Amino acid sequence: AQSVTQPDIHITVSEGASLELRCNYSYGATPYLFWYVQSPGQGLQLLLKYFSGDTLVQGIKGFEAEFKRSQSSFNLRKPSVHWSDAAEYFCAVGLRSGGYNKLIFGAGTRLAVHP
Amino acid sequence: NAGVTQTPKFRVLKTGQSMTLLCAQDMNHEYMYWYRQDPGMGLRLIHYSVGEGTTAKGEVPDGYNVSRLKKQNFLLGLESAAPSQTSVYFCASSLRGDAQFFGPGTRLTVL
Repeated sequence: AQSVTQPDIHITVSEGASLELRCNYSYGATPYLFWYVQSPGQGLQLLLKYFSGDTLVQGIKGFEAEFKRSQSSFNLRKPSVHWSDAAEYFCAVGLRSGGYNKLIFGAGTRLAVHP
Repeated sequence: NAGVTQTPKFRVLKTGQSMTLLCAQDMNHEYMYWYRQDPGMGLRLIHYSVGEGTTAKGEVPDGYNVSRLKKQNFLLGLESAAPSQTSVYFCASSLRGDAQFFGPGTRLTVL
């Protein structure tokens, strides 16, 4: 069965430090891949997406993610974290199912940023 | 351009009561979705629609019904609310079934 795993439930980093959030998926073919961010009390905002082509994808707010087929991973990175990046981050896999693109979400990683 | 909007933002129900959540999008998207979000479980798809007049079941459809009478609106109904339906509900839409755009959510508590 298809699944998305985000191994880290909580991560704390210092402001200005680099960040990497991990995401692994289980799916037979190359899926569509997404990262979303959710600030407290808000809906989900799309950070970036990968459909095909260049495996390093640039997103909004200075985030990037790299698709590694051999590792079934799509890790999210940012070189220097800002306090406003504190939020919950969701990785999602999009796959074709019954005539529509279905999104399967990971359980999320909550990011805290220390000043 | 408001994107995806949801009403109401908060609601408290008693067990057995019914209610309807409204989702509206002004992006002319074909696909619309209803999810529930529970702690530690990410988002789970309740129902979805691939166009006006069509609906289909997602992962967790039991206890919910939906209707898509107009392209821009997608309604989620709870006929007889149960405490297990306490959750945050998100609506989303997408143009071609790829990237989804989410509303701000509705926090529902069932006592």
